[in-house]
Amino acid sequence: GQQLNQSPQSMFIQEGEDVSMNCTSSSIFNTWLWYKQDPGEGPVLLIALYKAGELTSNGRLTAQFGITRKDSFLNISASIPSDVGIYFCAGQQGTGGTSYGKLTFGQGTILTVHP
Amino acid sequence: EAGVTQFPSHSVIEKGQTVTLRCDPISGHDNLYWYRRVMGKEIKFLLHFVKESKQDESGMPNNRFLAERTGGTYSTLKVQPAELEDSGVYFCASSRFTYSEQFFGPGTRLTVL
Repeated sequence: GQQLNQSPQSMFIQEGEDVSMNCTSSSIFNTWLWYKQDPGEGPVLLIALYKAGELTSNGRLTAQFGITRKDSFLNISASIPSDVGIYFCAGQQGTGGTSYGKLTFGQGTILTVHP
Repeated sequence: EAGVTQFPSHSVIEKGQTVTLRCDPISGHDNLYWYRRVMGKEIKFLLHFVKESKQDESGMPNNRFLAERTGGTYSTLKVQPAELEDSGVYFCASSRFTYSEQFFGPGTRLTVL
């Protein structure tokens, strides 16, 4: 089945540093999404990308939808302690068949920020 | 507006027993999804309801898993009989439209001993 390869698996950084993580896929997705999960809670949507080549920002977060529609990256600038958590990329087919709504997730990146 | 709620938050059962998980989606959301995360791995899709109909159940692991959404409101996911490999966190998500944002519940952590 479809698989997203997310890297890195984990990151340990100092407060104030920038962070970058990415996802690649062998399949094309029509929507790329980035979620963050805090302990004991479900994933929360950070950024949604709908067009190949699209670059979108949300505060200190910036994400891009790869031109081939098979990859995406997320950057976090000037990290702060509350950025700690697990970040997941996800792809959605969005067209045709019966599986258009489901999300396919990457393995997650565990982010630790040292004050 | 209340978010997606799931019950119970934790469940510890023995192999061979039955467990039923419940999800209450956001009011007015026709789309309801079940996902599962096994320790350290990716979150995997299980199935998708549109109102009370199963739109896509391609991710259901086997026939020990039964999902229902009678009346198109809350949903239940029953595992019978539970096996050790069923342990993990089960997430429910809902969205108003198929392509709109999926809002996740806090998950049910299932441990099968």
